[in-house]
Amino acid sequence: DTAVSQTPKYLVTQMGNDKSIKCEQNLGHDTMYWYKQDSKKFLKIMFSYNNKELIINETVPNRFSPKSPDKAHLNLHINSLELGDSAVYFCASSQDRPRQGKAFFGQGTRLTVV
Amino acid sequence: GEDVEQSLFLSVREGDSSVINCTYTDSSSTYLYWYKQEPGAGLQLLTYIFSNMDMKQDQRLTVLLNKKDKHLSLRIADTQTGDSAIYFCAESNQGGKLIFGQGTELSVKP
Repeated sequence: DTAVSQTPKYLVTQMGNDKSIKCEQNLGHDTMYWYKQDSKKFLKIMFSYNNKELIINETVPNRFSPKSPDKAHLNLHINSLELGDSAVYFCASSQDRPRQGKAFFGQGTRLTVV
Repeated sequence: GEDVEQSLFLSVREGDSSVINCTYTDSSSTYLYWYKQEPGAGLQLLTYIFSNMDMKQDQRLTVLLNKKDKHLSLRIADTQTGDSAIYFCAESNQGGKLIFGQGTELSVKP
């Protein structure tokens, strides 16, 4: 059983398009995250939700909008995609916010904007 | 400020010990972590240490923490080719964020 699953694994799309990445966790965790890993492998948090409530919102363009329909799901919608959005996006979850370091990560979604 | 730094590359021979180093700036960090990322995969938590400890050992892994110098290291004994991966150091701060280093790519040669 996959603990944190993301779909799709690969996404190739043209500039200007709108796309979504879905994430689901079956661990019963309260807190979920989106991270972005750039081409130099640098990993940075984008958003964090705790029980469907947004608790961390880093300096991310407002073209990125997370949505958490329930605590097991955290989706990421991106409008008007740009070349610089190309990266690997990781979803993660932790039991609660204080235990964010003991997070479980998904396999990543490699987004390529052409 | 918050900053976590690591050297980018390390190459060792199979059977040798590997030592991956990390420095951080936030003295309020409560926990420090080591994650492993294999090619094409997500991050996997390897081990972590509470900030009031100076050493933790877990099988082939030894974590050393020098809180005064804000220096963290991960030693892998008897390194195997399967240990080839990128290793990330991370700290969790009181602001509730996990801050990662740039990752150290470990290459293990037979």
